[in-house]
Amino acid sequence: GEDVEQSLFLSVREGDSSVINCTYTDSSSTYLYWYKQEPGAGLQLLTYIFSNMDMKQDQRLTVLLNKKDKHLSLRIADTQTGDSAIYFCAKRPGNTGKLIFGQGTTLQVKP
Amino acid sequence: GAVVSQHPSRVICKSGTSVKIECRSLDFQATTMFWYRQFPKQSLMLMATSNEGSKATYEQGVEKDKFLINHASLTLSTLTVTSAHPEDSSFYICSARTSGGTISSADTQYFGPGTRLTVL
Repeated sequence: GEDVEQSLFLSVREGDSSVINCTYTDSSSTYLYWYKQEPGAGLQLLTYIFSNMDMKQDQRLTVLLNKKDKHLSLRIADTQTGDSAIYFCAKRPGNTGKLIFGQGTTLQVKP
Repeated sequence: GAVVSQHPSRVICKSGTSVKIECRSLDFQATTMFWYRQFPKQSLMLMATSNEGSKATYEQGVEKDKFLINHASLTLSTLTVTSAHPEDSSFYICSARTSGGTISSADTQYFGPGTRLTVL
């Protein structure tokens, strides 16, 4: 079945760039999403990309998609302590409306 | 825009009782809502898909008689955990999918803040 995988933990210093990686198994055309979850809260949509795109930039966030390698990344420029959270990538298979989530990457930003 | 609320945010109940959680889309109509369960330090597990005016579709392994879902209007879905037991303690999150229009062409899901259920 569908699978989405992420590394579990990333630690960076404030002001550095963070790169969170995600891989998936199914190559059908679809949307891929990045969500942010702060402690005890729900998920906040950060950005999304359609699978026919290679890159999408939105202020400090850059999403890169390598469709051949089935690899998605989220780069956060000038990482701040407020960026500390769990980041989930998610894939929407076909037109089901369901989301398949990765395990989440905990981003720790050190001052 | 695209705000989803959940109520209550936190609930503690005794084993054997039933608990109802509400999920509302505040500024858009949601033909479809999703219910997820999240264990500590783990990802979200989809429990069921709720379509307005029809029966919910449950994922494999989720007991439909235990987790009752009602989606009576385009802005409200409820999840009732019946005869709750300590193993049902978890963080329950709903999301709402827009029915189209101006919110997003990506048919994005917007998530509620979650409900922490603790069963004693």
